[in-house]
Amino acid sequence: GAVVSQHPSWVICKSGTSVKIECRSLDFQATTMFWYRQFPKQSLMLMATSNEGSKATYEQGVEKDKFLINHASLTLSTLTVTSAHPEDSSFYICSAKVRQGDSGELFFGEGSRLTVL
Amino acid sequence: GQNIDQPTEMTATEGAIVQINCTYQTSGFNGLFWYQQHAGEAPTFLSYNVLDGLEEKGRFSSFLSRSKGYSYLLLKELQMKDSASYLCAVRDGDYKLSFGAGTTVTVRA
Repeated sequence: GAVVSQHPSWVICKSGTSVKIECRSLDFQATTMFWYRQFPKQSLMLMATSNEGSKATYEQGVEKDKFLINHASLTLSTLTVTSAHPEDSSFYICSAKVRQGDSGELFFGEGSRLTVL
Repeated sequence: GQNIDQPTEMTATEGAIVQINCTYQTSGFNGLFWYQQHAGEAPTFLSYNVLDGLEEKGRFSSFLSRSKGYSYLLLKELQMKDSASYLCAVRDGDYKLSFGAGTTVTVRA
């Protein structure tokens, strides 16, 4: 199956700093990537849809100026958490849709666990 | 939007069968997925249904009834490693997945 790589897996940062998380499709082209956030013992909540070459579409309640998404190529999308605060501590997961021959399945990255001190 | 309901927890014995139900209400439907998620890890794909009926894949089967807004995931011959959270997810026409809260399955010896 298709492989999505996410980096870093773990990150600890101080309050007020910014953190960038990368999501790469390793063996396929992904025109669309999705960013999810998951708090402990809760399900995945869609934050935004990232389309290659255009602005991301954010879900209601997600601050676009705080969670910057860049999808500069068909294999890379980045999520930058700006001026992070402890309440931003969460598990962030990206997923990608295969460009052609899509069976419908989304492929998930390994996830990035952010802890803001 | 989507409204997806599934039980919070289920417990079963090793070797048994467990059925996890999922009901959904949606303004647009383009498939239903089941994912398995172990604690601290990303979800892994289990099954996909877009037409009514049963899809069987080894020990796991998934059923869909679009008219009833209902699906279930059937886990047979339970193994200890099957202890995990099982997520029901509904996809809309824009390929956006909305997830249920997940069902934590605990397999006991």
